[in-house]
Parts: sequence; structure tokens; C-alpha cells
Amino acid sequence: EAQVTQNPRYLITVTGKKLTVTCSQNMNHEYMSWYRQDPGLGLRQIYYSMNVEVTDKGDVPEGYKVSRKEKRNFPLILESPSPNQTSLYFCASSGTSGNYNEQFFGPGTRLTVL
Amino acid sequence: AQSVTQPDIHITVSEGASLELRCNYSYGATPYLFWYVQSPGQGLQLLLKYFSGDILVQGIEGFEAEFKRSQSSFNLRRPSVHWSDAAEYFCAVGAHRKAAGNKLTFGGGTRVLVKP
Repeated sequence: EAQVTQNPRYLITVTGKKLTVTCSQNMNHEYMSWYRQDPGLGLRQIYYSMNVEVTDKGDVPEGYKVSRKEKRNFPLILESPSPNQTSLYFCASSGTSGNYNEQFFGPGTRLTVL
Repeated sequence: AQSVTQPDIHITVSEGASLELRCNYSYGATPYLFWYVQSPGQGLQLLLKYFSGDILVQGIEGFEAEFKRSQSSFNLRRPSVHWSDAAEYFCAVGAHRKAAGNKLTFGGGTRVLVKP
């Protein structure tokens, strides 16, 4: 089954404790993105990657890091989480066969930073 | 820069009544437009998408949306609401030419409550 998986699905942590949220897709997609969802703001892109070892900032990259060492994986790293990073996070992937390709979303990771 | 506005934060509708959710977008070319639904505690589900062609788009489970270029709108309609339609709905516009990894720009969402 074609899918995007994220782990963990729920995470409660404390300020300053480094954490990683993993994202993996099995569709051989080139493009991957991370979004955060906040009430009233919809989803906003944090970082994206257009291929292995190619990453770039989205609209709200402060406080986050990413890496793309393998095509299928795109982890989101919070080196020193703060309470304002409490949010619902979605990973997404898409192909490159046309002018636009639909994004496939993971199930989401709900993060609480105390 | 692209942007999406959903003017209604909350809408309450009676079961069986019709529903229309508004979406206005700003984009410099013909947009790629999407509607997603998020049920409580769940992820995002794609309802329908517009890439080109017919201005009335049919989606899953009887949802439809109409693209109006002159009004920069892409409103979602549901002819008869079911209790299970209670959810948050997001309109989104997609970047052209693979910019920013097919980035989607979302509206703030409209939360729909269904009265029995």
C-alpha cells in the first residue's frame, strides 16, 4: 500500500530536549515536505526537499532542521524545542511527472513541548 | 506570493441542509486548487482537486466545488449534510512548476458543526 508514515504519532517533551520525528514514504517520490498545523493558520510549510541531499527552507523554518540522506526518509529535527513548537506536524511527499503532482500526507504527529 | 482565505471560521448547519464553504485565493496564474477535510483527531483527506478544464469539480462522497476565475474563488458545496460531515475543511492552492517541492498554501480552515 502506497503511504507516508510518521513516528511517533504523539510526543510530549520538555523545553530544550532534542527530538526527531521520522517520515518515510514508499512511493519513490522525489519531493518531500514538512508542514505544521496551528489553529486558524492552516498548514504552513517548514522545510522541503526536492531530492536526496537537496533541502530548502519553507515558510516557517526557524527552530527546525531536516536531512535527506535517502530518498524514502525525511526526518524533522528539533535541536532545542520550545513551547511555541507545540503543534500538529505533517509530512508529505509527491512525484514529478507533470506540472503539478498531488501531495500525499502522513497521519500527523502531535507534539507538545512543556 | 500565493495566499488562500477562508472567511468563515465556524459554520453550524442542520443535518440534511445544504452547505457551502467559501475559499478565495490569490495566485498569479491558473491555480491548482484543493479541498481537504480533517475529522477530529484524524489526518488530512483529499476531497477534490482542480487542475484545469471544467469549472465544476466533483469529489468524493458527493462533494463538489466550483472554480470562478473572475472572483478568484473555489467554493465547496455539499447538497445535503450528514452528521459525519462535522470536521474542519481546508482549501489550498498548489505552486506551479514544481516550485518549493509542490508546496501547498492553505487557508486557515473552516470548522463545520452539524446539528441533528
